[in-house]
Amino acid sequence: GQNIDQPTEMTATEGAIVQINCTYQTSGFNGLFWYQQHAGEAPTFLSYNVLDGLEEKGRFSSFLSRSKGYSYLLLKELQMKDSASYLCAVYSGANNLFFGTGTRLTVIP
Amino acid sequence: EPEVTQTPSHQVTQMGQEVILRCVPISNHLYFYWYRQILGQKVEFLVSFYNNEISEKSEIFDDQFSVERPDGSNFTLKIRSTKLEDSAMYFCASRADRGGPYEQYFGPGTRLTVT
Repeated sequence: GQNIDQPTEMTATEGAIVQINCTYQTSGFNGLFWYQQHAGEAPTFLSYNVLDGLEEKGRFSSFLSRSKGYSYLLLKELQMKDSASYLCAVYSGANNLFFGTGTRLTVIP
Repeated sequence: EPEVTQTPSHQVTQMGQEVILRCVPISNHLYFYWYRQILGQKVEFLVSFYNNEISEKSEIFDDQFSVERPDGSNFTLKIRSTKLEDSAMYFCASRADRGGPYEQYFGPGTRLTVT
């Protein structure tokens, strides 16, 4: 079976740094993705990890530890427009993504 | 920048009716997907399609669902006899070749409302 856990909600202040955690238990693993989803819109790709370590893309970084079944998404210099849901998703070895329930991030002034 | 497109953006139908949701994947992509998201819930995989056939499907994708690539550009999802619980946002996605980047690009979605 597939199980992906993320916190349901988080709140952070504009300009700050926030870390969104994701733990997973899947029958296989071919990579972990982070997507951003604004309400009523499609998920948009943020980052992808297949090997352990940190991947950095501008204000966004994602970390993976395969042995721990753990990833996090780090958002720096938060902006109001970063208020959205952040979805952790795993390629389990099959040709599709399994998504977590998402973390709704609210950025406050 | 190329993008996945979907039509219609919103479809209202009566229970028991057939609906066809349409998608145009990114032109050089070879893998195509349908996902759904019931309001307030997570994105759920329905089906993947490669080389003109289904490569994988989930438990949700029962006999009421079918997919087709009728020409070189469109990718459709048909629900034969809609149920109230089929009300959801349906997303089409595509990605490049097996050896290329794995990220899937999502279309804007079709909101299906079954009454």
